[in-house]
Amino acid sequence: DTAVSQTPKYLVTQMGNDKSIKCEQNLGHDTMYWYKQDSKKFLKIMFSYNNKELIINETVPNRFSPKSPDKAHLNLHINSLELGDSAVYFCASSQRLQGAGANVLTFGAGSRLTVL
Amino acid sequence: DAKTTQPTSMDCAEGRAANLPCNHSTISGNEYVYWYRQIHSQGPQYIIHGLKNNETNEMASLIITEDRKSSTLILPHATLRDTAVYYCIVRASGGSNYKLTFGKGTLLTVNP
Repeated sequence: DTAVSQTPKYLVTQMGNDKSIKCEQNLGHDTMYWYKQDSKKFLKIMFSYNNKELIINETVPNRFSPKSPDKAHLNLHINSLELGDSAVYFCASSQRLQGAGANVLTFGAGSRLTVL
Repeated sequence: DAKTTQPTSMDCAEGRAANLPCNHSTISGNEYVYWYRQIHSQGPQYIIHGLKNNETNEMASLIITEDRKSSTLILPHATLRDTAVYYCIVRASGGSNYKLTFGKGTLLTVNP
C-alpha cells in the first residue's frame, strides 16, 4: 500500500495548457510538500501545507496553485504551462511541521512533466 | 540551517562498506544531521538522523564526531541497489524555517 502516491507519473503537454498533479498520503501525516527537481537534478521546495493551511510558498509563479482539500491530499495545478516548467515534481509528507518527525519526509515516486 | 559539504562522487565495491562523509562545521547545538538518498528515477528516501550519539537502523549507521562538526554515513555491505545520490542535511527540529533543503549530495556508485 503506497504511502505517498502521485498521479500521473508522466505528463506530456503543450505550452500554454493547464494541468494538474494529484497527491495523496495514507500515513496520517499533518504536513505535505511539493518539491521540483529540474534537469540539473536540484531538488527545490515549492510549497508546504500543514493541516490544509499554506505554510510555505517559495516564490513560485502564481501560475502554480496548490490545493489541499484535506490533510491527506495536496494537489498541484499549473496554468499556462511554459517550457521551463518541465521537471519532475515530488510530493512528500511529514508527521508534523515542527518538532520530532518534522524533518523525516516520505516522498512520492514523482511526476515527470514535459512541456513541448 | 548549517551548511554541509559532501564529496561530489564516490565509488565502492559491492559487498564492502561504503563510508560517506559530511562536514558541517557550523552546526548549532540544536541541529540534527539527517541523511536521505535518491536512487535514479525515484523519490528521495529518508535513511537516518542523529543529534550527537551514533545511530544505527536497518539501512545504515551514522557516526557523528564528538565536536559534531562532521559525520559519516556507513552502509555496511553495499549492494548495487545502493547506487544513489546521498544527501546530508543539517536542521533543527523546531524554528520557523519550515523546509528541508537539499544540496548537491554525493553520487555513490557501487561497482560489481
